[in-house]
Amino acid sequence: DAKTTQPTSMDCAEGRAANLPCNHSTISGNEYVYWYRQIHSQGPQYIIHGLKNNETNEMASLIITEDRKSSTLILPHATLRDTAVYYCIVRRRYGSSNTGKLIFGQGTTLQVKP
Amino acid sequence: EAGVAQSPRYKIIEKRQSVAFWCNPISGHATLYWYQQILGQGPKLLIQFQNNGVVDDSQLPKDRFSAERLKGVDSTLKIQPAKLEDSAVYLCASRLPDLSGYDYNEQFFGPGTRLTVL
Repeated sequence: DAKTTQPTSMDCAEGRAANLPCNHSTISGNEYVYWYRQIHSQGPQYIIHGLKNNETNEMASLIITEDRKSSTLILPHATLRDTAVYYCIVRRRYGSSNTGKLIFGQGTTLQVKP
Repeated sequence: EAGVAQSPRYKIIEKRQSVAFWCNPISGHATLYWYQQILGQGPKLLIQFQNNGVVDDSQLPKDRFSAERLKGVDSTLKIQPAKLEDSAVYLCASRLPDLSGYDYNEQFFGPGTRLTVL
């Protein structure tokens, strides 16, 4: 599975958009980009995933560059409840050896400030 | 829909003692994972089950850790004997099986069990 690189921490003002970058320069065509977040004292929570097209759901938007070597998670109007550690994970799409396991890095700690 | 249940939420033991954690996945989720999360790090997979069979236990320290999922539903993770470095949060996750060969089903995590080994 491809390795990802994320900034250690970021701040965002409440009500503003939070843009969290992720570098995955060794991603293969067989791998999705997934984002999870972990609020303090809780288990990780799925946010969104994508292959090559931009994706949007009720929580966030995911922008993947054309070469697929990097992506950005966008929280359009961050609230204090969005303060969490955000994990960008590359995961194999299919194959007989695919177990669906997630390999977490250290993630980005997003602090949303009033 | 009920989420992934884990118990206990907190456990404090002394080194060399034994401890067990229990997980009940979301109904119908055939795939179950146990992760270990040390303070300040991301979760690390210990073991994965598909129904009652082990799919991946390559990161499980088998000399002291064991896990079972006898009836393919709930699961137990045991540590015997515990070491100081086992202090961590133990997370259980589950997901639907990927029947098409294309992996896209998200994992649902429980709240975790925080273990402190003194």
